[in-house]
Amino acid sequence: DAGVTQSPTHLIKTRGQHVTLRCSPISGHKSVSWYQQVLGQGPQFIFQYYEKEERGRGNFPDRFSARQFPNYSSELNVNALLLGDSALYLCASSRQGNTINEKLFFGSGTQLSVL
Amino acid sequence: TQLLEQSPQFLSIQEGENLTVYCNSSSVFSSLQWYRQEPGEGPVLLVTVVTGGEVKKLKRLTFQFGDARKDSSLHITAAQPGDTGLYLCAGIDYKLSFGAGTTVTVRA
Repeated sequence: DAGVTQSPTHLIKTRGQHVTLRCSPISGHKSVSWYQQVLGQGPQFIFQYYEKEERGRGNFPDRFSARQFPNYSSELNVNALLLGDSALYLCASSRQGNTINEKLFFGSGTQLSVL
Repeated sequence: TQLLEQSPQFLSIQEGENLTVYCNSSSVFSSLQWYRQEPGEGPVLLVTVVTGGEVKKLKRLTFQFGDARKDSSLHITAAQPGDTGLYLCAGIDYKLSFGAGTTVTVRA
């Protein structure tokens, strides 16, 4: 079975632009989470979705939004890009979104560079 | 803001040596996980520790969870170049709260 897949793998944008990142979870997984990993830091939680509903949101500005589709894939959107948004964006999937009892599987991420 | 502090930030050792990395929290977590991340990849789960005082072994890796469930350590015996990577600890509530990680380099 395929793991968590993310696209694109790399992306270069300029300040003020908008970006959409995509994630396909492992087959059978209904929950997707998004994390931002800035160089030299650990991943920071952005969103969690389960069955198309937002279950949790981290401390990120409203420029960040996400959604989950009926096939459980997900998009992360970032508006009005800032230089500080440059990071590796990771998507993780799990069966039920119960972080305490379930294993999270991470994709390889999308490396976003904002110039 | 990172709730979990990891030390050291960087560690470079020779193949065959032992190493220990530490993870300390200002909060109590119900459980804690250790991940390894290689360049260009996402983190991969190594272990979950749940009970205070728990010790888990995974081949040459030994994980300990402190009695108060606020600290943890990872010990690698006879390190190999394949152990090279970023080691992350993460506290679990409804989300994962990661530390900044320890970059381990094992020289052949």
